Amino acid sequence: GENVEQHPSTLSVQEGDSAVIKCTYSDSASNYFPWYKQELGKGPQLIIDIRSNVGEKKDQRIAVTLNKTAKHFSLHITETQPEDSAVYFCAASNGNTGTASKLTFGTGTRLQVTL
Amino acid sequence: NAGVTQTPKFRVLKTGQSMTLLCAQDMNHEYMYWYRQDPGMGLRLIHYSVGEGTTAKGEVPDGYNVSRLKKQNFLLGLESAAPSQTSVYFCASVARFSYNEQFFGPGTRLTVL
Repeated sequence: GENVEQHPSTLSVQEGDSAVIKCTYSDSASNYFPWYKQELGKGPQLIIDIRSNVGEKKDQRIAVTLNKTAKHFSLHITETQPEDSAVYFCAASNGNTGTASKLTFGTGTRLQVTL
Repeated sequence: NAGVTQTPKFRVLKTGQSMTLLCAQDMNHEYMYWYRQDPGMGLRLIHYSVGEGTTAKGEVPDGYNVSRLKKQNFLLGLESAAPSQTSVYFCASVARFSYNEQFFGPGTRLTVL
């Protein structure tokens, strides 16, 4: 089955700096890579995702890159703000619309943005 | 829309007791999932359902049972709770024609003494 590794487990940055979280996956058939943000006491919330037919996707201060050859993908947060402090999870799955597929999650990165 | 809701929010059980966790979604999603979240281990899939009346095992199904009698509800049961089942449980749902964009509930924190 799929195995997703995520690094680092904790990350502390100063407000305004950039943060990068990296994930690797093992199953070359995986084609969907979402990132979730989990605030304290809440469920994970999807913040951005990327499919295997693109190499990069950006949404305001958040971007995700995918390298299919190396089987790794990364989350980039620019101009970090205190409200970005949370636990971030990467995930991978192999599926298509109209079929149920299972997400395999990384172990999470606790991001702390300090003033 | 309330999205995905879970009840209860917190529960403490003694070893051997049973309980049922309820997940409800009002988005008319076909697929529903139960996960457990433990420190340092991310989210692990327990069971999932692709539609009313159907269920399937995930990565860590032992000690749990599920039922999907109505499309909007997905129940997770613990027949005889064990301390190893102390965890935070999350439910998620997915629309059939999405690419697996999962919407999560707020979680249930379960402690088994």
